Amino acid sequence: ETGVTQTPRHLVMGMTNKKSLKCEQHLGHNAMYWYKQSAKKPLELMFVYNFKEQTENNSVPSRFSPECPNSSHLFLHLHTLQPEDSALYLCASSQSRGGEETQYFGPGTRLLVL
Amino acid sequence: GQNIDQPTEMTATEGAIVQINCTYQTSGFNGLFWYQQHAGEAPTFLSYNVLDGLEEKGRFSSFLSRSKGYSYLLLKELQMKDSASYLCAVRDSNYQLIWGAGTKLIIKP
Repeated sequence: ETGVTQTPRHLVMGMTNKKSLKCEQHLGHNAMYWYKQSAKKPLELMFVYNFKEQTENNSVPSRFSPECPNSSHLFLHLHTLQPEDSALYLCASSQSRGGEETQYFGPGTRLLVL
Repeated sequence: GQNIDQPTEMTATEGAIVQINCTYQTSGFNGLFWYQQHAGEAPTFLSYNVLDGLEEKGRFSSFLSRSKGYSYLLLKELQMKDSASYLCAVRDSNYQLIWGAGTKLIIKP
């Protein structure tokens, strides 16, 4: 248990569906991240929030929409996804203070788009 | 461009020692991380190096040479539970983490 939880753990959706992924961190951190992990590829950073403000959006398609209502919760809203969006979506958090700033990960949501 | 290279897969024997290498070319350097990820689970933090040299943590050690853009993770007295993927990541000058694709380590009895 790393202190970061994600729901659901598994999700199957059609290309016309709308769904949301949820992440919650219990570590008192002030930064949260969404990553995409595809087989045999490096982790791809999607979004970063610092103190609830989005500071990074790495050219992610608009069919992915993040929301960070407070420093403990992070959502990823999904709509009209494509089959190539099937992947493991990981949430992470860290304490921005300079220096080490280790990121702690949730267990991920395994997404399959049909 | 920025790049992290690590072997795709390695095999080792239970009780033995294995060294997983990571080389990097990044715009600046603000630390290097190693994570362990078991199949279907979250990556978990193993080690952090920002200065040259060896950091030891029990059976695991991590080495860094900034001048060579090189790190390795050394695992001693291998156990079956060490079968996992090992991810190398470098923090660049913008404080972004640049990730390698991971090394899948297979431990055989």
